Amino acid sequence: EAQVTQNPRYLITVTGKKLTVTCSQNMNHEYMSWYRQDPGLGLRQIYYSMNVEVTDKGDVPEGYKVSRKEKRNFPLILESPSPNQTSLYFCASSFKQGTYEQYFGPGTRLTVT
Amino acid sequence: GNSVTQMEGPVTLSEEAFLTINCTYTATGYPSLFWYVQYPGEGLQLLLKATKADDKGSNKGFEATYRKETTSFHLEKGSVQVSDSAVYFCALSDHTNAGKSTFGDGTTLTVKP
Repeated sequence: EAQVTQNPRYLITVTGKKLTVTCSQNMNHEYMSWYRQDPGLGLRQIYYSMNVEVTDKGDVPEGYKVSRKEKRNFPLILESPSPNQTSLYFCASSFKQGTYEQYFGPGTRLTVT
Repeated sequence: GNSVTQMEGPVTLSEEAFLTINCTYTATGYPSLFWYVQYPGEGLQLLLKATKADDKGSNKGFEATYRKETTSFHLEKGSVQVSDSAVYFCALSDHTNAGKSTFGDGTTLTVKP
C-alpha cells in the first residue's frame, strides 16, 4: 500500500529535550515536505526537500532541522523544543514533476511543556 | 508571493443541503489547483484537482472548476451527507517554483442529520 508514515503519532516532551519525528514514504517520491498545522493559521511549510541531500527552508523554519540522506526518509529534528512548537505536524511527499499532488502522513501531535 | 484565500468557516449544513466553499488564489504563471480534505484525526488527502484553465475536477460528488479569469476554484456538492463533515483545504502548486505548495487556512464543515 502506498503511504507516508510518521512516528510517533503523539509526543509529550519538556522544553529543551531534543527530539526527532520520523517520516518515511514508499512511493519513490523525490519531493518531501514538513508542515505544521495550528488553529487559525492553516498549514504552514517548515522545510522541504527536492531530492536526496537537497533541502530548503519553507515559511517557518526557525527552531527546526531536517536531513535527507535517503530518498524515502525525511526526519524532522527539534534540537531544543519550546512551548511555541506545540502543534500538529504533517509530513508529505510527491513527485517533483507533473501536478505535484501531495500525499500526507497521519500527523504527529507534539506537546512541549 | 502566492496566496490562497478560502471562505471563512465554520460552515454548518443540514444533510442533503447544497455546499459551496469559495476559494480564490494569487499566483504567478499557471498553477495546479487542489482541494484536500482532512477527516477528524487524520492527515490531509487529495479530494480533487485541476491542472489548467476550465478544467473541472470531481470526486465523491464534489466538483470544482479552474477559473483563470476570476482566479477561483470554488468547491461544490449538490447534496452533502453527515460523512462529509471534515476540514477542507484549497491549495495550489507553483510550477515555476519547483511545485511549492500554498494552502488556504481550511474551512470546517459540519453536516447535521
